[in-house]
Amino acid sequence: ETGVTQSPTHLIKTRGQQVTLRCSSQSGHNTVSWYQQALGQGPQFIFQYYREEENGRGNFPPRFSGLQFPNYSSELNVNALELDDSALYLCASSYRDRVFFGYTFGSGTRLTVV
Amino acid sequence: AQRVTQPEKLLSVFKGAPVELKCNYSYSGSPELFWYVQYSRQRLQLLLRHISRESIKGFTADLNKGETSFHLKKPFAQEEDSAMYYCALKRSNTGKLIFGQGTTLQVKP
Repeated sequence: ETGVTQSPTHLIKTRGQQVTLRCSSQSGHNTVSWYQQALGQGPQFIFQYYREEENGRGNFPPRFSGLQFPNYSSELNVNALELDDSALYLCASSYRDRVFFGYTFGSGTRLTVV
Repeated sequence: AQRVTQPEKLLSVFKGAPVELKCNYSYSGSPELFWYVQYSRQRLQLLLRHISRESIKGFTADLNKGETSFHLKKPFAQEEDSAMYYCALKRSNTGKLIFGQGTTLQVKP
């Protein structure tokens, strides 16, 4: 059984640029969520995808968007990067349609915006 | 609004001492509550869920709806328990987890 893998592990971008972060869900999981974790804070929910459709969104602007693919891998795209977007971005997967056992988290992508 | 509060940023205890990590929540419905742990240089991982009423690594947590609390307890702390602990709430009809700010547990020898 594979876990959740994220790439890249670290990334440095310039303000105004666009970035794409990638996530491969745990085998057998059909739901993926993305979280932003600023330094010293708990993770904040960005959005969730289920069967390739957005299925819930947190308080993040539309420049944060995502995709889920048929193989349940996922992308997080952020346009027009701002300095405050610097954070650890976490991907988490689970299996919906059954009792919720909790999410499996990836190790995250550390994004630095300069 | 749904909210999870962990009032202590840092909890420092000696090995063998009891541990209680506090978590309070605000939610009008029936919440699902979790504790997640992050050991140094490792990913966030689920420690326990309130619906399981289980004990993991000696830790237990009881949901107190009257006090809207879900404190994490262990009678005798071990050095390997040193980590960041997050309390999280899930609304019953969504997949969104609401996390507290986390408490660093430091167990001294």
